Amino acid sequence: QVQLVQSGAEVKKPGASVKVSCKASGYTFTRYHIHWVRQAPGQGLEWMGIINPSDGGTGYAQKFQGRVTMTRDTSTSTVYMELSSLKSEDTAVYYCARVEFQALHIWGQGTMVTVSS
Amino acid sequence: SYELTQPPSVSVSPGQTASITCSGDKLGNKYASWYQQRPGQSPVLVIHQYNKRPSGIPERFSGANSGNTATLTISGTQAMDEADYYCQAWDSSDVVFGGGTKLTVL
Repeated sequence: QVQLVQSGAEVKKPGASVKVSCKASGYTFTRYHIHWVRQAPGQGLEWMGIINPSDGGTGYAQKFQGRVTMTRDTSTSTVYMELSSLKSEDTAVYYCARVEFQALHIWGQGTMVTVSS
Repeated sequence: SYELTQPPSVSVSPGQTASITCSGDKLGNKYASWYQQRPGQSPVLVIHQYNKRPSGIPERFSGANSGNTATLTISGTQAMDEADYYCQAWDSSDVVFGGGTKLTVL
C-alpha cells in the first residue's frame, strides 16, 4: 500500500542541524510532490516547503528560507528535510506528506525533533 | 501573507450536526481541504476539492466553500469524531493552514 515512513526521533543541541528522512513506497516516487509540515507541542500545523521528486525542484516557506534544505534520492525513493541553526522553538513533530489534487492525501507517521541544551 | 481563521473550539452532542468554519480572503475561489487529527496521530485528509471525500472517509463528512468561508459539516456526529480539525488552502505556491478547531462531542 502507499505509505511514507519517516526516520526516528532526534535530540539536538541549539545551533546544530537535523536531517529527517521520508521513504516512499507503494507508488511511483517521481509522480507526486512531497511537502513538509511541522507541529510544535500543543500547536497547529505549519507548512515548511515542497519538493518535486522528479527534478528535485523545491519551494520553501519564507519563514524557513536560508535554514531549510529539501532533497531527494530517487534510487531509494526517499526525500530529506534538513533544518539548520536549530533553536528551542524548532522542537516539534515533523511530517512529510504526499500531494494529490492540491491536498495532502498521505502523511508520514511524524518525526519528533527535540532541541535542548 | 494569506491567513485562514478557524474558531478554536466547537462542541456538539452525539448524533447532532457539527459545523466548523474557515475564513479567508476570497477563499471560495480556492480549493479548501480539511484534515482530522486525533491526539498523538498524524493528520488525516477528510475533504478535498471543495467536497470530495477520500476513500474510507464516512459520508457524514461534507464540505462547502463560497465567498470567504469554507465549512466542514459532520452529520450525525459520533464520539470517534472528537479531534482537532484543520482547514488548508493554497496561496500562490504556498500551503496555508488554519489555526485548528478542537471538536468536542459532549
